[in-house]
Amino acid sequence: SQQGEEDPQALSIQEGENATMNCSYKTSINNLQWYRQNSGRGLVHLILIRSNEREKHSGRLRVTLDTSKKSSSLLITASRAADTASYFCATDLFYNQGGKLIFGQGTELSVKP
Amino acid sequence: DTEVTQTPKHLVMGMTNKKSLKCEQHMGHRAMYWYKQKAKKPPELMFVYSYEKLSINESVPSRFSPECPNSSLLNLHLHALQPEDSALYLCAITPTTQTDTEAFFGQGTRLTVV
Repeated sequence: SQQGEEDPQALSIQEGENATMNCSYKTSINNLQWYRQNSGRGLVHLILIRSNEREKHSGRLRVTLDTSKKSSSLLITASRAADTASYFCATDLFYNQGGKLIFGQGTELSVKP
Repeated sequence: DTEVTQTPKHLVMGMTNKKSLKCEQHMGHRAMYWYKQKAKKPPELMFVYSYEKLSINESVPSRFSPECPNSSLLNLHLHALQPEDSALYLCAITPTTQTDTEAFFGQGTRLTVV
């Protein structure tokens, strides 16, 4: 079953612009994570936000979490061509099922120089 | 540099072949995962090992057989696969099966079944 849905599915911006990606989920969670994947390679963890947190920053990344709306957003500021990648949100389940992470459909970000 | 090493990077196999994918880690993490990822889709969980014991099997067909011979190594044995099994297979690790820490992923094995 789908836990995370992301929008937009694809996003194309110019270098220097900000990129915002959204993730919605269906069931209660403990944590929500964001990962990045360069084409055909492994996923790299970006940031984790706990269900009792509303906002978190890491460098050019800003993540928000709204548990009442079951949604999260990832903002990348001052984007660079090297930010071109797919971005996935991943949620656990409130009743932790043994480390299970469920990934959203992903947003494909293209940053043009 | 990846902390999780997967071999081979690419694999082409026939439907009657038997092959194995390998995942190695030296971070001392005790939870290890296999994910399958089709093109332009998110990773889908296949198996979870916790302290070398299989804890989750997401109803994966028996032609996929996982093995965790020790705390550093995770294998996925493949037999009689179908073309639709062609995908990127990703290994991941976490300290335990608690989901409050990041997962480290390997670079994946790109599998093509012909």
